Amino acid sequence: EAQVTQNPRYLITVTGKKLTVTCSQNMNHEYMSWYRQDPGLGLRQIYYSMNVEVTDKGDVPEGYKVSRKEKRNFPLILESPSPNQTSLYFCASSLSFMGAPNQPQHFGDGTRLSIL
Amino acid sequence: EDQVTQSPEALRLQEGESSSLNCSYTVSGLRGLFWYRQDPGKGPEFLFTLYSAGEEKEKERLKATLTKKESFLHITAPKPEDSATYLCAVKEGGGSNYKLTFGKGTLLTVNP
Repeated sequence: EAQVTQNPRYLITVTGKKLTVTCSQNMNHEYMSWYRQDPGLGLRQIYYSMNVEVTDKGDVPEGYKVSRKEKRNFPLILESPSPNQTSLYFCASSLSFMGAPNQPQHFGDGTRLSIL
Repeated sequence: EDQVTQSPEALRLQEGESSSLNCSYTVSGLRGLFWYRQDPGKGPEFLFTLYSAGEEKEKERLKATLTKKESFLHITAPKPEDSATYLCAVKEGGGSNYKLTFGKGTLLTVNP
C-alpha cells in the first residue's frame, strides 16, 4: 500500500531535549516536505527536499533541521525544542515538484508534538 | 495579505442540502490548484487537481471548478460522512522556483 509513514504519532517532551520525527514513503517519490498545522494559521511549510541531498527552507524553518540521505526518508530534527514548536506536523511527498505541476502531495497522518 | 483565502470558515448543512465552498487566490503564474479533504486526526487526503480556467473535476458528490481568480467545490446532496475540513492549495511559480500555499480551510459539518 502506497503511504507516507510518520513516527511518533504523539510526543510530549520538555524544552531543550533534542528530538527527531521520522518520515518514510514507499512510492519512490522525489519530492518530500514538512508542514506544521496550527489553529487559525493553516498548513505552513517548514522545509522541503527536491531529491536526495537537496533541501531548502520553506516559510517557517527557524528552529528546525532536515536531512535527505535516502530517497525514502526525510527526518525532521528539533535540536532544542521550545514551547512555540508545539504543533501538529505533517510530512508529505509527491512524484516530483517542478517537472509535473499537477502532481498532488500525499500526506502522512501527522505527529502531534507538545513541548513543555 | 493572504494569497489563498477560503470561505466560509465553517459551514453547517443538513443532509441533502447542496452548497459550495470557495477558494480565491491572488497568485500569479498558477501552476495548479489542489483540493484536499482532512478528517480529524488525519493528514489531508487528495481530492482534485485543477490546472486551467474552465476546468472541472467530479468525484461522487463533489465537483470542483476553476476560474482565473477562484475555485469552487460544489457539494451535491451531502451526507454526514462528507463532514470534514476541506483545504485548497495553490502552486505558483516557474523555472526552478515553485511555491505551494495552502488556504486555512473550510470546516464542513453535515447533520443527518
